[in-house]
Amino acid sequence: AQKVTQAQTEISVVEKEDVTLDCVYETRDTTYYLFWYKQPPSGELVFLIRRNSFDEQNEISGRYSWNFQKSTSSFNFTITASQVVDSAVYFCALSSGNTGKLIFGQGTTLQVKP
Amino acid sequence: DTEVTQTPKHLVMGMTNKKSLKCEQHMGHRAMYWYKQKAKKPPELMFVYSYEKLSINESVPSRFSPECPNSSLLNLHLHALQPEDSALYLCASSQDNREETQYFGPGTRLLVL
Repeated sequence: AQKVTQAQTEISVVEKEDVTLDCVYETRDTTYYLFWYKQPPSGELVFLIRRNSFDEQNEISGRYSWNFQKSTSSFNFTITASQVVDSAVYFCALSSGNTGKLIFGQGTTLQVKP
Repeated sequence: DTEVTQTPKHLVMGMTNKKSLKCEQHMGHRAMYWYKQKAKKPPELMFVYSYEKLSINESVPSRFSPECPNSSLLNLHLHALQPEDSALYLCASSQDNREETQYFGPGTRLLVL
């Protein structure tokens, strides 16, 4: 069975703090893809990153970084020096089996206070 | 340009009405998706179209009827909806349906009275 777990329901930080959003996944497939999306209050899901199961290299994009560890089935997302505009719901998602179906985690609501 | 557009942004309808949601993309993508999202929940897949053919129907009630007139357009026809169908309806597209990145539109907020 495929499953994505985001154990943190809500996180609140003060601006400029670093924050890490956790994502743990389950799949029996050897080829799979992991995603992070951001959903601000406006509702649109904004794509942040896609990582395939054969590429464990960590990635940094500006204040965002991602840590993919197959040994622990985790794909964590860190925001450095958080800003109020980072306030949103963040979803981790898994896709495998060539169906195009995205399995979403329950989401983590991040509130960044000024 | 990774833009998916959806109209209308908001829709209020009665249980006897018939309405349609529209989605459009001009990225040359060949897979398009409809999702339903309730408040404080993740999106739930409803339908997948691949090369203009319906490839996945996640056991969605027949009061929701999808249509893909061409590779750029996706409609969702609504008829005899229930109040519990009130939700955010999101459209997405991807290059094809093989684990490619899905790009989402802004959604239509539907309220059924």
